[in-house]
Amino acid sequence: DAKTTQPPSMDCAEGRAANLPCNHSTISGNEYVYWYRQIHSQGPQYIIHGLKNNETNEMASLIITEDRKSSTLILPHATLRDTAVYYCIVRVRGTNAGKSTFGDGTTLTVKP
Amino acid sequence: DTGVSQDPRHKITKRGQNVTFRCDPISEHNRLYWYRQTLGQGPEFLTYFQNEAQLEKSRLLSDRFSAERPKGSFSTLEIQRTEQGDSAMYLCASSSLKTGSSYEQYFGPGTRLTVT
Repeated sequence: DAKTTQPPSMDCAEGRAANLPCNHSTISGNEYVYWYRQIHSQGPQYIIHGLKNNETNEMASLIITEDRKSSTLILPHATLRDTAVYYCIVRVRGTNAGKSTFGDGTTLTVKP
Repeated sequence: DTGVSQDPRHKITKRGQNVTFRCDPISEHNRLYWYRQTLGQGPEFLTYFQNEAQLEKSRLLSDRFSAERPKGSFSTLEIQRTEQGDSAMYLCASSSLKTGSSYEQYFGPGTRLTVT
C-alpha cells in the first residue's frame, strides 16, 4: 500500500470550513483514497473514499487532484464535535482489498 | 445492524498473565481485521481473516499472539505472557466482500489493555 503524508495538526474555527490535505505521490492506479477519523478513545470512523473524481456525502467532500498525487478532505461547517484525528489512507477496493496502512494522521482541533 | 462490538472494553493485567479479547463483527461480514494502536500513533495492522481463514499476519504478531475465527463469525485475540510493551488499544474491524456492498472497514470501539 502507498504511504501518505499529512500535517500533524491543524486548527479550525467553529462554523468555518476545515480543509485537511494529504499527499500520496506513490499511489497506484487501482488504489482508492480513504479518509477515517478517530475521536478520542473510540475506533476509527469511515468518512469518505474516492478514486479520481471528487466525492461528497453527508459528512464531507473529497477533492482529488487530477494527477491523484494529493487530496483534500473538506468539512464544510466544522463543529466542536469534529475535533478528532483524521487519517488519510490509500488501498485497493473490492475483493482484492486487504489491510489498511495508517499513518499518524492530522489532529484537527475545532475552536469556538 | 449493531456495528462491530468488542469485549472487554478495558483490561488491566499483570505482566506475565494471559489475556483474551473478543470481537463480534457486523453480521455477515466476511472479513475481520485486528489492529493495535499505541498512544499518539495510528492503528497498526496485526492480522485479518476471510471467513475462518487467516489470510495475513503482520510481523508484529509475535509467537505470543494468536488469533482465531473458528466459525467465520466472532474472533478472539489471545496474548500469552503479557509484557508492558503490549499495553495498547486493540481494534477490530470488519468488511463485506459481497457484490454491491461498500467494502469499507467498520471499526469497533477497541479494547484498551494495560499491563502493569
